[in-house]
Amino acid sequence: NAGVTQTPKFQVLKTGQSMTLQCAQDMNHEYMSWYRQDPGMGLRLIHYSVGAGITDQGEVPNGYNVSRSTTEDFPLRLLSAAPSQTSVYFCASSYSEGLDTEAFFGQGTRLTVV
Amino acid sequence: AQSVTQPDIHITVSEGASLELRCNYSYGATPYLFWYVQSPGQGLQLLLKYFSGDTLVQGIKGFEAEFKRSQSSFNLRKPSVHWSDAAEYFCAVGTSGTYKYIFGTGTRLKVLA
Repeated sequence: NAGVTQTPKFQVLKTGQSMTLQCAQDMNHEYMSWYRQDPGMGLRLIHYSVGAGITDQGEVPNGYNVSRSTTEDFPLRLLSAAPSQTSVYFCASSYSEGLDTEAFFGQGTRLTVV
Repeated sequence: AQSVTQPDIHITVSEGASLELRCNYSYGATPYLFWYVQSPGQGLQLLLKYFSGDTLVQGIKGFEAEFKRSQSSFNLRKPSVHWSDAAEYFCAVGTSGTYKYIFGTGTRLKVLA
């Protein structure tokens, strides 16, 4: 099983550029989410989705858009990159929204905005 | 407010020594607690979880954690550390609110040969 796959692994953007971070899972999980990881701040939730066609904001949604057209895919879009968005981004999925379900994480995308 | 505190940013232990990583949480209801490990350049992997029942939970790679409600703690332990345990460890609480998981800031473990 591939699990959760994120692409690209590394990316450098110029301020103002746009890009999409890809996330795909092959476990038929309903719940998917995006986190950013910054030094000393742990992981913070950006956006999440409880199923195809349903998305909602997390703790730090500003500057990011998401959509969920299929169960498998949950892309994260940066419309106009800013240096403050330099971070490591993780996509995660779990079987359900239930609190007792384990989250499976991708390997991360390291994004640098210059 | 719900929160997770990992008071130790860095911990260094010698190979073969015992390990305890601290985690304190603040959550009004019965917590769902998790420990994840992140090896360099990798995503997070679940070590163990606690939902209810026996307060001593066994996980993968020889790790265990003990839930102490009176201390609001969920400390991770390992009797004998291996060099391959060098990684960053995150404690998390599952919440019924929007964010589902609240993560601590992580503890980076260094293992000396």
